Amino acid sequence: NFMLTQPHSVSESPGRTVTISCTRSSGSIASNYVQWYQQRPASSPTTLIYEDNQRPSGVPDRFSGSIDISSNSASLSISGLKTEDEADYYCHSFDGINWVFGGGTKLTVL
Amino acid sequence: EVQLVQSGAEVKKPGATVKISCKVSGYTFSDYYMHWVQQAPGKGLQWMGLVDPEDGETLYAEKFQGRVIITANTSIDTVYMDLSSLGSEDTAVYYCATVNPRGDFQHWGQGTLVTVSS
Repeated sequence: NFMLTQPHSVSESPGRTVTISCTRSSGSIASNYVQWYQQRPASSPTTLIYEDNQRPSGVPDRFSGSIDISSNSASLSISGLKTEDEADYYCHSFDGINWVFGGGTKLTVL
Repeated sequence: EVQLVQSGAEVKKPGATVKISCKVSGYTFSDYYMHWVQQAPGKGLQWMGLVDPEDGETLYAEKFQGRVIITANTSIDTVYMDLSSLGSEDTAVYYCATVNPRGDFQHWGQGTLVTVSS
């Protein structure tokens, strides 16, 4: 089994760009696609990014995903931050047997 | 419109078993595996397991192996999750969710809060 490690929290000002990392503990980050979800309080998660860098229809292009093989990590970037982006963000990957979530990152926009 | 509607909140004593249901509509029930995800208060998402509604085959996360049973009733398009030997650490919101062919958890139930308390 592998683990996905995210920073517990990040904060940034409105209008700026923030990047949330997701580091895979074993095996290559490129071996399996990474997804990203947003979860607002008392709500179910929603997909922001699938297959490392693809956005579902309806997700603004302010949200983007990437992977970096050298650091064995994936990243979610949010540009032009809005106060409504304040939420928890989770990365997720699947190795054929286990569906693994990162621990989540709380984004504060202040 | 795809909907996953879960049963209501539960309060259980330590050692008991909880059964949560997830009724689906808006798609062919057997087309997608149904997953269950646990979220303890203030904590992250933890995958528990899945069932293939077509043949009832299951796969469970190691953490819950032996305590969780996930079943599907194709006559009423409903999936169930039983979690036994409940402890305080099982106090959490439990979600059912489907994974679409592109690999992300696309549709989620509204969540069911289970409180374990003596």
